Parts: sequence; structure tokens; C-alpha cells
Amino acid sequence: DAGITQSPRHKVTETGTPVTLRCHQTENHRYMYWYRQDPGHGLRLIHYSYGVKDTDKGEVSDGYSVSRSKTEDFLLTLESATSSQTSVYFCAITRQSGNTIYFGEGSWLTVV
Amino acid sequence: DAKTTQPTSMDCAEGRAANLPCNHSTISGNEYVYWYRQIHSQGPQYIIHGLKNNETNEMASLIITEDRKSSTLILPHATLRDTAVYYCIVRALDKTSYDKVIFGPGTSLSVIP
Repeated sequence: DAGITQSPRHKVTETGTPVTLRCHQTENHRYMYWYRQDPGHGLRLIHYSYGVKDTDKGEVSDGYSVSRSKTEDFLLTLESATSSQTSVYFCAITRQSGNTIYFGEGSWLTVV
Repeated sequence: DAKTTQPTSMDCAEGRAANLPCNHSTISGNEYVYWYRQIHSQGPQYIIHGLKNNETNEMASLIITEDRKSSTLILPHATLRDTAVYYCIVRALDKTSYDKVIFGPGTSLSVIP
């Protein structure tokens, strides 16, 4: 357990609506990541953060934005949700003492 | 980070050792081999990692070839609860390697009663 909490865990939303997923960590980890997972694609990196207000794009960043205004929270926003963004979203962190990545339990998002 | 290749799927009889291979022929000298697994509907779980020596912990053993171009994760006595997708990744373990980590499709291991 790396002290990661994702919310909401499950959400159904309509196409075109904004959605924000929250990743909260309690252990002051510097590095945080958002992945999505879809059948046949494995885990794909959306965005990552290497500190407060320091973020960068991953391999599937289109349609997503992130913000990190404080160490403990990394927010993933879908400005206008589409059906192609129906997925399971995982937050992850890298601990200060090493580069082992630890994952949260996931957020299931369905866009109808 | 270097790319890895793994078989798409494998079967293993319950109680037997499961040997999961991974090729990482372009691995750099400062890159570690990491293994994760993902049980259905759960977040990926860290298993083990190593640089060049073989490693063992309570979950598994990691065997890395001398040229470091491939490795094998060994689950010594597979149980039904080990049925999962196993991911092998390589990445450097230093202050600058915070950047993106890419997971491939992994190996789907089925432990059969």
C-alpha cells in the first residue's frame, strides 16, 4: 500500500460533460502518473508530474489535462468526455527513495 | 527506456513453477528490470526488480542473463491466485528517470488446477 486513493472509483457520465478524477497520496511522493487501461492496449501513460505545477504529456494525452497544485493531489480532467475515453484509469506514484512505481486501485469511467 | 517483449499468454499447472520470460535486448547499463502483475480489476502490483544479479523475495525470483538481454520471473509454486497479467519493464534507477514509464501488453498467465 503506497497511500494512494483514487476518486471516484466508479463514474458514469454523458458525452460532452467535463470529468475530473482525483489521485490523492499521503506520503509526500514527488512523482505521480495517470495511466489508462483498455483491452488489447495494456497500460498507457496519459500524463505525469515530477513536482508541484510540473507536468508533462505521456503517449495518449490528447483530450486530457492535468493539474498538480499541491504535492498530495494529481487531478486528471476530461474537458469534454467522449465515448473513446471510457476506460479504467490508474494513478501511480514513485517513492522518493527509489523508482519502484506503485499503483492505485483504479477509477472506472463510462462515457455514454 | 528500453523496450521489452513477452509472450502473450502462458499456462501453468497449480503447484508447479511458473517461468515467465522477457526479452530486453536494448537494455542500457543503468537500467533495471522490473516485474509487475495485475490481477483482474485491481491495480498493478509490484513484484520484484533487479540490475544484473539474481534476486529473490517472498513473492518470486528474478533471473537475469549475464548479457542482461533477457530475464525470467519465477513463481516457485504457482497457485490459482497467481493467475494474472505479468508485465516486464526496464527503467533507470536514478534521479533523472522520473519520466514516462511505458508498459507493454504483458503475459497473461493462467494457473490451471
